[in-house]
Amino acid sequence: KAGVTQTPRYLIKTRGQQVTLSCSPISGHRSVSWYQQTPGQGLQFLFEYFSETQRNKGNFPGRFSGRQFSNSRSEMNVSTLELGDSALYLCASSHGMAGAGETQYFGPGTRLLVL
Amino acid sequence: GDSVTQMEGPVTLSEEAFLTINCTYTATGYPSLFWYVQYPGEGLQLLLKATKADDKGSNKGFEATYRKETTSFHLEKGSVQVSDSAVYFCALSFPQAGTALIFGKGTTLSVSS
Repeated sequence: KAGVTQTPRYLIKTRGQQVTLSCSPISGHRSVSWYQQTPGQGLQFLFEYFSETQRNKGNFPGRFSGRQFSNSRSEMNVSTLELGDSALYLCASSHGMAGAGETQYFGPGTRLLVL
Repeated sequence: GDSVTQMEGPVTLSEEAFLTINCTYTATGYPSLFWYVQYPGEGLQLLLKATKADDKGSNKGFEATYRKETTSFHLEKGSVQVSDSAVYFCALSFPQAGTALIFGKGTTLSVSS
């Protein structure tokens, strides 16, 4: 069974631009969660989507948004990029809702550098 | 708020040494506790978990026991290998409340032969 895939793996953007990251979950998984990983703040939860609906949201500004499609693939978008948005963005999928204790399977991440 | 505190790294050990990575948590209530591992260039993998007090999670020679009285979930392994070199994350969640994972900052383990 293929694992969680994320595209692109690496991305360089400049301040003020916007970016879209993509995540394809494991086949059959309906939940996708997004996390931001930085050296200073560690791993922080962004949001979780289940059956195309956002079910849970972390403490991030509205510049961070996401969506999920009917095939469970998910995208996250960051608008008006800031230097502090440079991070590794991890996607995780689970069969049921992650917040209900389902085991999450993580992708390799997309490393975003904002210049 | 709820939080997880891990020992600062890096932890440097020789092969076959005993490993302990400390993890304590602050939470209102009784969370589920997890250890995740991140190998270089890869995403996180669930290593083990425990859902209630005194539960012991174990996997690949690693063990951790949920200690409610000390709010701890220390990770141990009796004999580490070079292949165990990775970053280890302790995390908690409240499945009953549908909360997301809250992670510690991670501890880097480096094992030399």
